[in-house]
Amino acid sequence: AQRVTQPEKLLSVFKGAPVELKCNYSYSGSPELFWYVQYSRQRLQLLLRHISRESIKGFTADLNKGETSFHLKKPFAQEEDSAMYYCALRGGSNYKLTFGKGTLLTVNP
Amino acid sequence: DVKVTQSSRYLVKRTGEKVFLECVQDMDHENMFWYRQDPGLGLRLIYFSYDVKMKEKGDIPEGYSVSREKKERFSLILESASTNQTSMYLCAATSDFEQYFGPGTRLTVT
Repeated sequence: AQRVTQPEKLLSVFKGAPVELKCNYSYSGSPELFWYVQYSRQRLQLLLRHISRESIKGFTADLNKGETSFHLKKPFAQEEDSAMYYCALRGGSNYKLTFGKGTLLTVNP
Repeated sequence: DVKVTQSSRYLVKRTGEKVFLECVQDMDHENMFWYRQDPGLGLRLIYFSYDVKMKEKGDIPEGYSVSREKKERFSLILESASTNQTSMYLCAATSDFEQYFGPGTRLTVT
C-alpha cells in the first residue's frame, strides 16, 4: 500500500521568511514524487516533480529515500505563494496518484 | 496546453436524484480520473479509466459509477445522490507524468 502524509494542515509565515512544507511517504518500491498547488479560484496544477530536480517559482524539493520524505522548501516566501499544496506519489507503472491531505500555506505581509 | 473542462461549476441536487458529472479533455490522453476534494481529507480517487470502456475503482468508489464511451469524455454518475456526497469533484487527464485538472464541480446535495 502507498501512503502520503502531510503533517501540517495549516502553515503561516511572514513574507521573506523561509518556508518548508513537509511530506512523508510510504511505498515499498521506487516512487515518483510530486508537489501540486492550488491557488485561490484556480485549478490544481503541477508545481514540480522529484525527477526533474528543478526549481519552480523558487521552490525546491529533494527526495530523501532514507527518511522517506519529499519536503518542499523556499528560502524567502512571497505573498503570492499563499495556496493549498498537495504532495503526491506515483508508484508502479500506472498513472494513478496518491495524494496527501494538503497543507494550506498563508504568507502574511 | 491540455484543456480539461467540466460541465458545471456549481450543482445543487436533491437526495435520491441521479446526477451526471461530465468531463471532457481536448487532447488524446488515454488516462482519466475522478477525484473528490474535501477539506482535511485532500484528494481521494473515486474511479479512473485507462482507455475507452475501461474503468477501475479507486479508493472510494461506493455510491458512484463511471462511463467512458469516447476517449475525450469521462462521466461520473451518482446513482442516488446522498448528502454525504456533497463535495468538490475534480476530473483529471494524463498520458505522462503530469495530471491536468479541470476547474472542478461543487456539488451540493440537499
